[in-house]
Amino acid sequence: DVKVTQSSRYLVKRTGEKVFLECVQDMDHENMFWYRQDPGLGLRLIYFSYDVKMKEKGDIPEGYSVSREKKERFSLILESASTNQTSMYLCASRLSHEQYFGPGTRLTVT
Amino acid sequence: QQQVKQSPQSLIVQKGGISIINCAYENTAFDYFPWYQQFPGKGPALLIAIRPDVSEKKEGRFTISFNKSAKQFSLHIMDSQPGDSATYFCAAHTGGKLIFGQGTELSVKP
Repeated sequence: DVKVTQSSRYLVKRTGEKVFLECVQDMDHENMFWYRQDPGLGLRLIYFSYDVKMKEKGDIPEGYSVSREKKERFSLILESASTNQTSMYLCASRLSHEQYFGPGTRLTVT
Repeated sequence: QQQVKQSPQSLIVQKGGISIINCAYENTAFDYFPWYQQFPGKGPALLIAIRPDVSEKKEGRFTISFNKSAKQFSLHIMDSQPGDSATYFCAAHTGGKLIFGQGTELSVKP
């Protein structure tokens, strides 16, 4: 079974803090993705990576950055957290057309 | 052109009934149309998928109907069960990325 794990299930941070969300996949997939999920808006792509050290902006990259130093790990960084970044964050890895998702991190910024 | 529009936003069905969720798209470059199912506290998981050269695909109680000329596709859940209560997302694939619909929260009442 493909396994995608995310470092935290719940996270509470203060406005202005730097936040790191970590994602690890165990299937040697080259492609990894970060989404945020908000009610009524579905899943929106923040950033994705086709390979180590490669990254591409998704539909809503503003306020976020990413890092992929190893194939199995893809990190999402909120440089200065704001309240409008309160959301569910989902990581995924891809094999062919199918994406495999982690359980999500619910981030609250106060 | 990159949007996928999903309806309804929420759906309540009696046990044994048929649940129908609809999606529409504009981009003719989409080449794969999956449906994902998400239970509370979990990440989305692939439920069923179809390619645009096929008009229907059935897996157990789940069927995708695809209308290429109308640029619409739908998920039918036959004999809906309380265990089917979840959020469902349609999606469309292009260029290694998935574009997701807004999601439908399905509740099946016993």
